[in-house]
Amino acid sequence: EAGVVQSPRYKIIEKKQPVAFWCNPISGHNTLYWYRQNLGQGPELLIRYENEEAVDDSQLPKDRFSAERLKGVDSTLKIQPAELGDSAVYLCASSLDPAGSNTGELFFGEGSRLTVL
Amino acid sequence: RKEVEQDPGPFNVPEGATVAFNCTYSNSASQSFFWYRQDCRKEPKLLMSVYSSGNEDGRFTAQLNRASQYISLLIRDSKLSDSATYLCVVNFKSNYQLIWGAGTKLIIKP
Repeated sequence: EAGVVQSPRYKIIEKKQPVAFWCNPISGHNTLYWYRQNLGQGPELLIRYENEEAVDDSQLPKDRFSAERLKGVDSTLKIQPAELGDSAVYLCASSLDPAGSNTGELFFGEGSRLTVL
Repeated sequence: RKEVEQDPGPFNVPEGATVAFNCTYSNSASQSFFWYRQDCRKEPKLLMSVYSSGNEDGRFTAQLNRASQYISLLIRDSKLSDSATYLCVVNFKSNYQLIWGAGTKLIIKP
């Protein structure tokens, strides 16, 4: 069975440029998460979807970040314009449970490593 | 005070030794607890859930102390392959939020 697939794996851009990340969750997983992880830190939730509905986007910097999950399957996270402080690894995860957290098992993709120059 | 706190380490431990580290949480309403493992430049993966009565999985033992609001992870007979960062995760079921600690780095030396 395929795991969570993310692309691109690496992205280097100059500040003020836009960037987009794509995620395809495990088949049948209704809950999808976007996390940001900085070096030496734990993952920070940006947005959580239940099917196509964003149920928790309280930590998403909405002035420059946007996300969508059309048809409740794959998802895109966009940053426009990027800032130096956005350099991080962007992790997508999916889970089987409606809220994901009952079992605690989130399945992560390999992440997209963003460097903003 | 952070909601979930961990000693960042690194813990440098000789192969074969026993090592333990804790994770404290601030919200007494926390209901579920987990340990994830993250290898260098890799994604986190679930290591084990932490049950109220404590639980064991091979060389790994997890315990919960609700009174003092911490969970622990003990690794016996440590292997070189145990070198990783161990992330503590706490679930606040009131809003289904998972709160992640910053992780404890473990280095097993031959």
